[in-house]
Amino acid sequence: QIKLQESGPGLVKPSETLSLTCTVSGGSISSGTHYWGWIRQPPGKGPEWIAFIYYDGSTYYHPSFKSRVAISADTSKNHFSLRLNSVTAADTAVYYCATCTATRTYDYWGQGTLVTVSP
Amino acid sequence: QSALTQPASVCGSPGQSITISCTGTSSDIGYYNYVSWYQQHPGKAPKLMIFDVSHRPSGVSNRFSGSKSANTASLTISGLQAEDEADYYCTSYTSSSTLLIFGGGTKLTVL
Repeated sequence: QIKLQESGPGLVKPSETLSLTCTVSGGSISSGTHYWGWIRQPPGKGPEWIAFIYYDGSTYYHPSFKSRVAISADTSKNHFSLRLNSVTAADTAVYYCATCTATRTYDYWGQGTLVTVSP
Repeated sequence: QSALTQPASVCGSPGQSITISCTGTSSDIGYYNYVSWYQQHPGKAPKLMIFDVSHRPSGVSNRFSGSKSANTASLTISGLQAEDEADYYCTSYTSSSTLLIFGGGTKLTVL
């Protein structure tokens, strides 16, 4: 069973960069069986996908974030990361990492990590 | 692209059946058989309950079923139990650059 664990700062200042890492166990991010993605959920709202990456390095970004987001993977550490630039209070959310199938089904999820954007 | 349309809330009594609808367009639900449903309890991560319109992942109760007609997908929960009280979200693959869209979510209350 694939397990995912998010890590990173819980507090980021406005205009700075949010950086999160997702460590994967029970599966390999270089296997090609899944895409590896980030989803966020603002307080009281529904989820929205941000980005996902495939084992061959292909990246996919939600148009709303494309100009200020980057996803990357480190196969040697079996983890993948998210960087979101120029954050504002609107980026305050619980950030989840998850596995994604070719049909965009998110089948395994991390527990999520709350990131607050505040001075 | 707008989110898929779900009712804000539904309710039912233990043992009853309820259905949650998820309405999209001919560019998403109406075109692809790639609708998923997620259950989310407060403070928890979403859990996949249905994928590819009507398939249940291993371990998900057969009280949960999914279907689709034209541009609307549905999640039916039969034999409602107190533990089913949660938020439910639908998603669909889409031909737009968004690739995937979420529904706004439905809060299920078990009376």
